[in-house]
Amino acid sequence: GAGVSQSPSNKVTEKGKDVELRCDPISGHTALYWYRQSLGQGLEFLIYFQGNSAPDKSGLPSDRFSAERTGGSVSTLTIQRTQQEDSAVYLCASIRSGPSGETQYFGPGTRLLVL
Amino acid sequence: AQSVSQHNHHVILSEAASLELGCNYSYGGTVNLFWYVQYPGQHLQLLLKYFSGDPLVKGIKGFEAEFIKSKFSFNLRKPSVQWSDTAEYFCAVNPTGTYKYIFGTGTRLKVLA
Repeated sequence: GAGVSQSPSNKVTEKGKDVELRCDPISGHTALYWYRQSLGQGLEFLIYFQGNSAPDKSGLPSDRFSAERTGGSVSTLTIQRTQQEDSAVYLCASIRSGPSGETQYFGPGTRLLVL
Repeated sequence: AQSVSQHNHHVILSEAASLELGCNYSYGGTVNLFWYVQYPGQHLQLLLKYFSGDPLVKGIKGFEAEFIKSKFSFNLRKPSVQWSDTAEYFCAVNPTGTYKYIFGTGTRLKVLA
């Protein structure tokens, strides 16, 4: 079946603008992650959704970042008043169930450039 | 704090050379371990994983990794690399019973034809 998809694939924006990134997880996967990958860095955890539970937002770097997941499927990551340091690749991953060691399946990422 | 260290940031090898990429983690409890690969222009995909049992795990494309609990290591190996193995490799640790995945900073492998 289809994998995790993300849109847009690339986004160039001006400093101070808001951006919205979208993730479509694999159908039936109940858990969803957002990560940020900056140049030369590993994957930085941002937020975790599991079913109808309250999300773990502990990785969000500032209150300019927010995310939601509608209907237990599609997720959007919103960055308000973007800054140049927000430039990175934003990755989404989904897994089939909760914290039991299942494998994460990654989307292709959204490459964000803030000018 | 939990962390994953990948000691080699850039590795350059000739085809047919043997490969070993280091991965060490800091966490005292039980863990699940992963290696992911990102080929140029492609997204991250799973290479292999260890959950329990035989500490030597085999993955796709001839890769294997050995979990050495006493050394907190999960090194990736391949006896003979190919040009198509040129990619970035990420080690990841998932403390058992949690949903947190901690990733290393990655190793860029370039294989010369």
